[in-house]
Amino acid sequence: DAGVIQSPRHEVTEMGQEVTLRCKPISGHNSLFWYRQTMMRGLELLIYFNNNVPIDDSGMPEDRFSAKMPNASFSTLKIQPSEPRDSAVYFCASSVRRQGGSPLHFGNGTRLTVT
Amino acid sequence: AQTVTQSQPEMSVQEAETVTLSCTYDTSESDYYLFWYKQPPSRQMILVIRQEAYKQQNATENRFSVNFQKAAKSFSLKISDSQLGDAAMYFCAYKTSGSRLTFGEGTQLTVNP
Repeated sequence: DAGVIQSPRHEVTEMGQEVTLRCKPISGHNSLFWYRQTMMRGLELLIYFNNNVPIDDSGMPEDRFSAKMPNASFSTLKIQPSEPRDSAVYFCASSVRRQGGSPLHFGNGTRLTVT
Repeated sequence: AQTVTQSQPEMSVQEAETVTLSCTYDTSESDYYLFWYKQPPSRQMILVIRQEAYKQQNATENRFSVNFQKAAKSFSLKISDSQLGDAAMYFCAYKTSGSRLTFGEGTQLTVNP
Protein backbone atom coordinates (compact mmCIF):
# COMPACT_ATOMS: atom_id res chain seq x y z
CA ASP A 1 0.00 0.00 0.00
CA ALA A 2 1.72 3.17 -1.22
CA GLY A 3 -0.59 5.48 0.66
CA VAL A 4 -1.91 8.78 -0.65
CA ILE A 5 0.67 10.37 -2.91
CA GLN A 6 0.90 14.14 -3.29
CA SER A 7 3.15 16.19 -5.50
CA PRO A 8 5.05 18.38 -5.33
CA ARG A 9 6.14 18.27 -1.70
CA HIS A 10 7.16 21.92 -1.82
CA GLU A 11 6.13 24.65 -4.21
CA VAL A 12 7.42 28.21 -4.28
CA THR A 13 5.87 30.58 -6.75
CA GLU A 14 5.36 34.26 -7.38
CA MET A 15 2.09 36.05 -6.91
CA GLY A 16 -0.07 35.84 -9.99
CA GLN A 17 1.26 32.51 -11.18
CA GLU A 18 -0.83 29.40 -11.63
CA VAL A 19 -0.24 26.57 -9.18
CA THR A 20 -1.36 22.96 -9.61
CA LEU A 21 -1.24 20.46 -6.78
CA ARG A 22 -1.63 16.76 -7.52
CA CYS A 23 -2.96 13.80 -5.60
CA LYS A 24 -3.18 10.06 -6.14
CA PRO A 25 -5.53 8.42 -3.62
CA ILE A 26 -5.17 4.93 -2.23
CA SER A 27 -6.39 2.35 -4.71
CA GLY A 28 -9.95 1.28 -3.91
CA HIS A 29 -10.81 4.43 -1.98
CA ASN A 30 -13.80 6.25 -3.42
CA SER A 31 -13.79 9.46 -1.40
CA LEU A 32 -11.16 12.16 -1.79
CA PHE A 33 -10.68 15.29 0.27
CA TRP A 34 -8.59 18.43 -0.08
CA TYR A 35 -7.66 20.23 3.16
CA ARG A 36 -5.67 23.39 3.79
CA GLN A 37 -3.67 23.93 6.98
CA THR A 38 -2.56 27.32 8.27
CA MET A 39 -1.52 28.57 11.67
CA MET A 40 -4.41 31.01 11.80
CA ARG A 41 -7.24 28.77 10.60
CA GLY A 42 -6.04 25.25 11.36
CA LEU A 43 -7.24 22.44 9.10
CA GLU A 44 -9.99 23.49 6.72
CA LEU A 45 -11.82 21.28 4.28
CA LEU A 46 -11.77 22.84 0.82
CA ILE A 47 -13.66 20.24 -1.21
CA TYR A 48 -14.45 16.56 -1.28
CA PHE A 49 -15.41 14.04 -3.94
CA ASN A 50 -17.36 10.80 -3.79
CA ASN A 51 -16.85 8.48 -6.75
CA ASN A 52 -15.10 11.31 -8.64
CA VAL A 53 -18.07 13.67 -8.23
CA PRO A 54 -17.63 16.88 -6.20
CA ILE A 55 -20.02 16.74 -3.25
CA ASP A 56 -19.22 19.81 -1.21
CA ASP A 57 -17.04 22.67 -2.38
CA SER A 58 -18.30 25.22 0.11
CA GLY A 59 -14.84 25.45 1.64
CA MET A 60 -13.19 26.63 -1.55
CA PRO A 61 -12.10 30.17 -0.72
CA GLU A 62 -12.97 31.85 -4.00
CA ASP A 63 -13.10 31.43 -7.75
CA ARG A 64 -9.34 31.37 -7.97
CA PHE A 65 -9.47 27.83 -6.57
CA SER A 66 -10.66 24.87 -8.60
CA ALA A 67 -10.43 21.11 -8.14
CA LYS A 68 -10.96 18.23 -10.51
CA MET A 69 -11.05 14.48 -10.27
CA PRO A 70 -11.03 13.10 -13.82
CA ASN A 71 -10.75 9.50 -12.65
CA ALA A 72 -10.59 7.41 -9.50
CA SER A 73 -6.82 7.60 -9.25
CA PHE A 74 -6.06 11.28 -9.75
CA SER A 75 -7.12 14.70 -8.52
CA THR A 76 -5.80 18.22 -8.93
CA LEU A 77 -6.22 21.43 -6.99
CA LYS A 78 -5.48 24.53 -9.01
CA ILE A 79 -4.99 28.11 -7.86
CA GLN A 80 -5.04 30.78 -10.56
CA PRO A 81 -3.85 33.44 -9.96
CA SER A 82 -2.04 32.67 -6.72
CA GLU A 83 -1.73 35.21 -3.91
CA PRO A 84 0.55 35.38 -0.84
CA ARG A 85 -2.39 34.56 1.45
CA ASP A 86 -2.69 31.19 -0.28
CA SER A 87 0.57 30.14 1.38
CA ALA A 88 -0.24 27.03 3.43
CA VAL A 89 0.15 23.28 3.56
CA TYR A 90 -2.38 21.54 1.34
CA PHE A 91 -3.34 17.98 2.20
CA CYS A 92 -5.10 15.40 0.12
CA ALA A 93 -6.82 12.50 1.89
CA SER A 94 -8.84 9.48 0.81
CA SER A 95 -11.20 7.02 2.43
CA VAL A 96 -13.68 4.26 1.67
CA ARG A 97 -17.10 5.89 1.66
CA ARG A 98 -19.22 2.76 2.03
CA GLN A 99 -17.81 2.32 5.52
CA GLY A 100 -19.28 5.34 7.25
CA GLY A 101 -16.71 5.60 9.97
CA SER A 102 -13.70 4.76 7.87
CA PRO A 103 -10.81 7.08 8.70
CA LEU A 104 -9.20 9.44 6.26
CA HIS A 105 -5.72 8.54 5.08
CA PHE A 106 -3.63 11.61 4.42
CA GLY A 107 -0.82 12.32 2.02
CA ASN A 108 2.33 14.10 3.15
CA GLY A 109 1.01 17.44 2.03
CA THR A 110 2.30 20.15 -0.29
CA ARG A 111 3.80 23.22 1.32
CA LEU A 112 2.93 26.16 -0.91
CA THR A 113 4.73 29.47 -0.58
CA VAL A 114 3.54 32.39 -2.69
CA THR A 115 5.87 35.40 -2.69
CA ALA B 1 -22.94 22.77 12.43
CA GLN B 2 -20.65 20.37 14.18
CA THR B 3 -17.74 21.87 16.10
CA VAL B 4 -14.76 20.31 17.81
CA THR B 5 -12.93 22.09 20.63
CA GLN B 6 -9.54 21.34 22.08
CA SER B 7 -9.04 23.66 25.02
CA GLN B 8 -5.36 22.90 25.58
CA PRO B 9 -3.14 24.55 22.98
CA GLU B 10 -0.05 23.03 24.63
CA MET B 11 0.69 20.18 26.99
CA SER B 12 3.88 18.65 28.30
CA VAL B 13 4.70 15.34 29.95
CA GLN B 14 7.74 13.62 31.32
CA GLU B 15 8.98 10.58 29.48
CA ALA B 16 7.33 7.38 30.82
CA GLU B 17 4.52 9.37 32.46
CA THR B 18 0.85 9.55 31.45
CA VAL B 19 -0.85 12.52 29.84
CA THR B 20 -4.47 13.21 28.89
CA LEU B 21 -5.51 15.48 26.03
CA SER B 22 -9.02 16.93 26.12
CA CYS B 23 -11.58 17.24 23.36
CA THR B 24 -15.22 18.24 23.33
CA TYR B 25 -17.60 18.40 20.42
CA ASP B 26 -21.03 19.68 19.62
CA THR B 27 -23.51 17.73 17.52
CA SER B 28 -27.18 16.90 17.26
CA GLU B 29 -26.44 13.57 15.57
CA SER B 30 -26.67 10.25 17.41
CA ASP B 31 -24.50 8.22 15.05
CA TYR B 32 -21.02 9.54 14.43
CA TYR B 33 -17.33 8.73 14.67
CA LEU B 34 -14.47 10.32 16.56
CA PHE B 35 -10.77 10.21 15.81
CA TRP B 36 -7.44 11.34 17.14
CA TYR B 37 -4.75 12.17 14.63
CA LYS B 38 -1.09 12.88 15.33
CA GLN B 39 1.00 15.31 13.29
CA PRO B 40 4.73 15.11 14.02
CA PRO B 41 7.20 17.69 12.65
CA SER B 42 7.31 15.70 9.41
CA ARG B 43 3.75 17.12 9.03
CA GLN B 44 2.16 13.83 8.02
CA MET B 45 -1.27 13.23 9.56
CA ILE B 46 -1.27 9.86 11.29
CA LEU B 47 -4.38 8.15 12.65
CA VAL B 48 -3.93 7.29 16.33
CA ILE B 49 -7.29 5.92 17.39
CA ARG B 50 -10.94 5.73 16.34
CA GLN B 51 -14.22 5.48 18.28
CA GLU B 52 -17.75 4.74 17.09
CA ALA B 53 -20.38 6.69 19.02
CA TYR B 54 -22.68 3.66 19.27
CA LYS B 55 -20.04 1.69 21.14
CA GLN B 56 -19.89 2.18 24.89
CA GLN B 57 -16.52 0.53 25.23
CA ASN B 58 -13.60 2.93 25.04
CA ALA B 59 -11.19 2.29 22.19
CA THR B 60 -7.62 1.26 22.98
CA GLU B 61 -4.53 1.01 20.78
CA ASN B 62 -1.48 -0.10 22.73
CA ARG B 63 -0.40 2.88 24.88
CA PHE B 64 -3.24 5.05 23.56
CA SER B 65 -6.75 4.94 24.95
CA VAL B 66 -9.77 7.21 24.97
CA ASN B 67 -12.33 8.24 27.55
CA PHE B 68 -15.52 8.65 25.56
CA GLN B 69 -18.37 10.32 27.44
CA LYS B 70 -21.24 10.55 24.96
CA ALA B 71 -23.64 12.45 27.19
CA ALA B 72 -21.00 15.02 27.98
CA LYS B 73 -19.80 15.06 24.36
CA SER B 74 -16.26 14.52 25.54
CA PHE B 75 -13.53 12.46 23.89
CA SER B 76 -10.17 12.63 25.67
CA LEU B 77 -6.98 10.82 24.66
CA LYS B 78 -4.74 9.20 27.25
CA ILE B 79 -1.16 8.39 26.39
CA SER B 80 0.51 6.02 28.82
CA ASP B 81 4.25 5.49 29.22
CA SER B 82 4.95 8.55 27.06
CA GLN B 83 7.84 8.29 24.66
CA LEU B 84 9.93 10.96 22.98
CA GLY B 85 8.41 9.91 19.66
CA ASP B 86 4.96 10.86 20.94
CA ALA B 87 5.88 14.54 20.70
CA ALA B 88 3.60 16.02 18.06
CA MET B 89 0.48 18.08 17.42
CA TYR B 90 -2.61 16.05 18.25
CA PHE B 91 -5.93 16.72 16.54
CA CYS B 92 -9.33 15.51 17.62
CA ALA B 93 -11.79 15.02 14.76
CA TYR B 94 -15.47 14.21 14.20
CA LYS B 95 -17.45 12.85 11.29
CA THR B 96 -20.82 11.37 10.49
CA SER B 97 -21.30 8.69 7.86
CA GLY B 98 -20.43 9.98 4.41
CA SER B 99 -19.59 13.46 5.60
CA ARG B 100 -16.56 15.61 6.08
CA LEU B 101 -14.04 15.22 8.88
CA THR B 102 -14.09 18.26 11.17
CA PHE B 103 -10.95 18.94 13.18
CA GLY B 104 -10.27 20.69 16.46
CA GLU B 105 -7.59 23.35 16.81
CA GLY B 106 -4.94 20.89 17.96
CA THR B 107 -2.84 20.36 21.09
CA GLN B 108 0.94 20.56 20.88
CA LEU B 109 2.43 17.83 23.06
CA THR B 110 5.99 18.08 24.32
CA VAL B 111 7.67 15.06 25.88
CA ASN B 112 10.50 15.90 28.25
CA PRO B 113 13.35 13.41 28.73
